[in-house]
Amino acid sequence: AQSVTQLDSQVPVFEEAPVELRCNYSSSVSVYLFWYVQYPNQGLQLLLKYLSGSTLVKGINGFEAEFNKSQTSFHLRKPSVHISDTAEYFCAVSAPGGTSYGKLTFGQGTILTVHP
Amino acid sequence: KAGVTQTPRYLIKTRGQQVTLSCSPISGHRSVSWYQQTPGQGLQFLFEYFSETQRNKGNFPGRFSGRQFSNSRSEMNVSTLELGDSALYLCASSLVSGNQETQYFGPGTRLLVL
Repeated sequence: AQSVTQLDSQVPVFEEAPVELRCNYSSSVSVYLFWYVQYPNQGLQLLLKYLSGSTLVKGINGFEAEFNKSQTSFHLRKPSVHISDTAEYFCAVSAPGGTSYGKLTFGQGTILTVHP
Repeated sequence: KAGVTQTPRYLIKTRGQQVTLSCSPISGHRSVSWYQQTPGQGLQFLFEYFSETQRNKGNFPGRFSGRQFSNSRSEMNVSTLELGDSALYLCASSLVSGNQETQYFGPGTRLLVL
């Protein structure tokens, strides 16, 4: 079974400052990794995903994440945040195999609040 | 291309009632997954359907069920509602059933059980 831990439940930051949202996962097999964002009263929107290959993944809205297999981490970063980045961010994993079809395992979420 | 749509968006029911939620996937997508989102438990996987077959199921009681139609639209049903079933129910569609597939989420149905 897989599990995901998002190390910070809330992250306050000032506008134009850099931010890192931390995600660690646990799995006995190789996993696929995703970051989603949820704005108030909306569903989840994919920011980026890691399937294989380069460990640095670039996504939408200037976000990027780095897969670190030895540390089982997939931290999300943005060099300069905007007020509009205020939202809740979810890290998720899926694993190969039939028992994981269509199933994402999510972390508890990190609320990013960007202050002017 | 239209996104994932869910109806209704909001619903109020009382304990003991049953409810049916609907999800229309993105055109051409054949896989639909359902999730429950609550403040306490977070996002939890309910089940996944592909080509009208349930391929995967989460750890929820049998009161939670679903189905998928030939046009890939999906419904989930919750019988004998409990207060703890109050949640945001999200469905997500993907092109095919697979672990690498990107899931595209709808806006959710917010269910309140009184």
